[in-house]
Amino acid sequence: QVQLQESGPGLVKPSETLSLTCIVSGGSLNNYYWSWIRQPAERGLEWIGRVYPSGSANYNPSLKSRVTLSVDTSNNQFSLKVRSVTAADTAVYYCARVYCSDISCWFDPWGQGTLVTVSS
Amino acid sequence: SYELTQPPSVSVSPGQTARITCSGDALLKQHAYWYQQKSGQAPVLVILNDSERPSGIPERFSGSSLGTTVTLTISGVQAEDEADYYCQSADNRGTYVFGTGTKVTVL
Repeated sequence: QVQLQESGPGLVKPSETLSLTCIVSGGSLNNYYWSWIRQPAERGLEWIGRVYPSGSANYNPSLKSRVTLSVDTSNNQFSLKVRSVTAADTAVYYCARVYCSDISCWFDPWGQGTLVTVSS
Repeated sequence: SYELTQPPSVSVSPGQTARITCSGDALLKQHAYWYQQKSGQAPVLVILNDSERPSGIPERFSGSSLGTTVTLTISGVQAEDEADYYCQSADNRGTYVFGTGTKVTVL
């Protein structure tokens, strides 16, 4: 059974870069897309982007200019970087596997989430 | 980008039926997915491909689709069903969107 676990600093200063890693256990990264999703406190879910083991990535247009996703297949993990963060980037960040059928894709399973606060 | 619109809240008495709608133009061509998120927890998939129930999800959860609107139905609501529910879909460019979310309160 695939399990995902987010890791990274819980506090980032404004204008700096937020960096998180998702470690995948119980299965390989191969043949799936992998995604990051975030949720500010008391608000809804926002999809950030997805990355394939080849390194090919798609991003939420609203975040594309500040976000980079990457994959480390040797360590079975993938990562998120968000540049020039502000308080608006404060959120719980989730990683998830992207599972696809004929025409659509969904997220399952999810990591437990990690809170990142942007503050000086 | 596109949007998926849900009602902010739904209240239901135990044993009754809760219906949550999700509307958006993308739903004409793409499947919808539903997630349950209990307080302080990660979302869990409860419906996939508009109406399929993943393994381990109780039969009281069902989904349907008509035009640009999909509906999550919880029949015989139990106290443990109190949670936030989100729909999700995709466009054909490999990007995804979540609905605005609906808080289900069991009275």
